[in-house]
Amino acid sequence: KQEVTQIPAALSVPEGENLVLNCSFTDSAIYNLQWFRQDPGKGLTSLLLIQSSQREQTSGRLNASLDKSSGRSTLYIAASQPGDSATYLCAVISGSARQLTFGSGTQLTVLP
Amino acid sequence: NAGVTQTPKFRVLKTGQSMTLLCAQDMNHEYMYWYRQDPGMGLRLIHYSVGEGTTAKGEVPDGYNVSRLKKQNFLLGLESAAPSQTSVYFCASRQPGLQGYTFGSGTRLTVV
Repeated sequence: KQEVTQIPAALSVPEGENLVLNCSFTDSAIYNLQWFRQDPGKGLTSLLLIQSSQREQTSGRLNASLDKSSGRSTLYIAASQPGDSATYLCAVISGSARQLTFGSGTQLTVLP
Repeated sequence: NAGVTQTPKFRVLKTGQSMTLLCAQDMNHEYMYWYRQDPGMGLRLIHYSVGEGTTAKGEVPDGYNVSRLKKQNFLLGLESAAPSQTSVYFCASRQPGLQGYTFGSGTRLTVV
């Protein structure tokens, strides 16, 4: 059974810092890995999708890497802003129905 | 460009009542999914569908039924609601292949 772990569970940083969120998964037989953002009481917004054959994806200040063989992904956020405050969820796509398995998330607070 | 639309957004049920949550997508996606999100448990897969007329069980299917009579709609039913079904329910859809997921904004259900 696929299990996804995110570390840390919560992170508080001052504005302008660069930061790294970590995600690990137990079964390396994945198709994709997707990073989401969730604001309090809201739905999930897709940030980045990494195909299993890719090593990284970039979107603006966000960069996600994937090391499939070691079962790890990182989300790098450059020059953090208070508007980045949210919960960040990592999810891997695996199994016959390509279902998502989520980590429990990292709650990020960026202090002005 | 509605994407994935869930109705209702909020609902309060009494124990034993029934209800249906509707998910509609306008992206012509083949695959649709229902997840529930609980504090400390992350998102867990309830049921999914890989095409019109098909359904399958996910990780936590007990107490729920689903139907996919039309490609664009995926219904989640609670026949006899229990307080343990208090949760936020998310619907998602995707195309086959290496595409990512698109999520709806969620339905917050409270069973008293």
